[in-house]
Amino acid sequence: AQTVTQSQPEMSVQEAETVTLSCTYDTSENNYYLFWYKQPPSRQMILVIRQEAYKQQNATENRFSVNFQKAAKSFSLKISDSQLGDTAMYFCAFMIRSGATNKLIFGTGTLLAVQP
Amino acid sequence: NAGVTQTPKFQVLKTGQSMTLQCAQDMNHEYMSWYRQDPGMGLRLIHYSVGAGITDQGEVPNGYNVSRSTTEDFPLRLLSAAPSQTSVYFCASSYEWGLGELFFGEGSRLTVL
Repeated sequence: AQTVTQSQPEMSVQEAETVTLSCTYDTSENNYYLFWYKQPPSRQMILVIRQEAYKQQNATENRFSVNFQKAAKSFSLKISDSQLGDTAMYFCAFMIRSGATNKLIFGTGTLLAVQP
Repeated sequence: NAGVTQTPKFQVLKTGQSMTLQCAQDMNHEYMSWYRQDPGMGLRLIHYSVGAGITDQGEVPNGYNVSRSTTEDFPLRLLSAAPSQTSVYFCASSYEWGLGELFFGEGSRLTVL
């Protein structure tokens, strides 16, 4: 069975600083996707960034980047120049890319607070 | 753009009552799904559908029914509500099965007394 682990229930960062959120996963599959979703206080989940397992290059979206270590099964999210609007719950998620399913498996989340 | 719309946003039920959570999307997405979110457990998949007329079970399907008669709508039914079903429910859709980028609704908070 596939699992996703986020070992940091809560984190705090000062505005304009950099923070890294950790995520590890467990799978025997070779072809899959990894995601980071953001859930602000409004509750609606928003996709932050996506990584395809076959791509060695780490994904980047503006201030958000990932450190994808396939052998270590690690997928951390780095937020640079943190802003107050980044305050949210962040979920790491995993999906096998196969013909059988489109199921996302989520971690338990990391609550990030950006302090002014 | 409406995106994924869920109703109601809040609901209180008594044990044994039934209700339906509505989900509609206007993006012509084939794939739709229902998740529940509980503290300390992340989101867990209840049911999903890869197209009209096709549904399948997720991780935690017991106590819930779904149907998909149209591409736009994917209602979730609680047949006999239990306190264990107190949760926040999210409907999500994606354009193509297997691409993974889900678009979520705003969630429905259900309390079962």
